[in-house]
Amino acid sequence: QVQLQESGPGLVKASETLSLTCTVFGDSISSYYWSWVRQSPGKGLEWIGYIYHSGSTSYSPSLKSRVTMSADTSKNQFSLKVSSVTATDTAVYYCARHDPPGTTLAMDVWGQGTTVTVSS
Amino acid sequence: SYELTQPPSVSVSPGQTATITCSGDKLGDYYACWYQQKPGQSPVLVIFQDDKRPSGIPERFSGSNSGNTATLTISGTQAVDEADYYCQAWDSSAVVFGGGTRLTVL
Repeated sequence: QVQLQESGPGLVKASETLSLTCTVFGDSISSYYWSWVRQSPGKGLEWIGYIYHSGSTSYSPSLKSRVTMSADTSKNQFSLKVSSVTATDTAVYYCARHDPPGTTLAMDVWGQGTTVTVSS
Repeated sequence: SYELTQPPSVSVSPGQTATITCSGDKLGDYYACWYQQKPGQSPVLVIFQDDKRPSGIPERFSGSNSGNTATLTISGTQAVDEADYYCQAWDSSAVVFGGGTRLTVL
């Protein structure tokens, strides 16, 4: 059974860079696309971007200028960086797997989410 | 950018049929999927590729997609189905979510 685990600092200072890692257990990150999704308090789901194990990426137009994703197949992990954060980046951040393999149609496995708060 | 529109809230009586819509320009030309999210929990995929149910999702959940509207239908709605529901599609290398619908089972 595939499981995803987000990790990273729960508190980030405004103007600094938010960094999170998603570790995949029970399956290889190869063959799948992987996304980051966030949810601000009381709000809906917001897609941040996805990455393929090869390093190919696609980012949300609204966040593209501040987002970088990377993948480390040797550690079976992928990562998210969001630069120049503000209070509006405070959210629960989820990592998720796309299925079927090689497509970005739906996200069938999600991490439990990690809360990131941006402080001033 | 592509947008998906959902009603903010839907109410249904137990045992009745709940219908949640998701509208987008020519949405029927894309695959739509649906997620259920309960308070404090991660989203759960309940419908993918318009009308397919993942393993473990009850048969009372069904989906359709045609024209400009995708629809999630819950037949014989139970109290346990009370949650937020999000539609999602994929357009031009970008994933798009609807704003979400809160389903209340009265």
